[in-house]
Amino acid sequence: GAVVSQHPSRVICKSGTSVKIECRSLDFQATTMFWYRQFPKQSLMLMATSNEGSKATYEQGVEKDKFLINHASLTLSTLTVTSAHPEDSSFYICSATRERARYEQYFGPGTRLTVT
Amino acid sequence: AQSVTQLGSHVSVSEGALVLLRCNYSSSVPPYLFWYVQYPNQGLQLLLKYTTGATLVKGINGFEAEFKKSETSFHLTKPSAHMSDAAEYFCAVSAYFTMDSNYQLIWGAGTKLIIKP
Repeated sequence: GAVVSQHPSRVICKSGTSVKIECRSLDFQATTMFWYRQFPKQSLMLMATSNEGSKATYEQGVEKDKFLINHASLTLSTLTVTSAHPEDSSFYICSATRERARYEQYFGPGTRLTVT
Repeated sequence: AQSVTQLGSHVSVSEGALVLLRCNYSSSVPPYLFWYVQYPNQGLQLLLKYTTGATLVKGINGFEAEFKKSETSFHLTKPSAHMSDAAEYFCAVSAYFTMDSNYQLIWGAGTKLIIKP
């Protein structure tokens, strides 16, 4: 149990366009979902935390208007990268927690975004 | 502030040799501790975790880790390295942030495990 999916796994978009990444908890209801960004050869950097039906809490330095997060249901959160630029190219990973064990996060397989 | 330190950004061992990846944490309360593995161009896979109970934790792929409170350590070991163990390994602590009323993972910088034939 506790499977998290992400879609798409890879996406290439042109500079100036927007791209949406979906994160779904397949077999549990996610109390909280997290969005991370990972640069090459680095650890994960938390971008934002979202609870269902609430506005996301963004980490310092993360542009809210550029990285739009929607947590519309207990099983789905989306990250939209607006007006993407080449520097937004990265590996984006989502995770989710369950109410009964909020200290543990279950990770999606990640999405590789390339902006040309 | 809570932190996680992984000693050695790269660790190289021969195939069949002992693997030891070090992780130390700072935490004022009993921690929840995790080890994850990441293969190139893939997501994270949970190797093992300590939440409560037995301090020696066994995980997948023959890995284990021991929680030592007095040393604030959670080192990862495997008796005999295999070529397929070559990957990036991350140690993480789950900490509760009262301002957000949420747990967050505090990550180590990662250790790249290199296996020599």
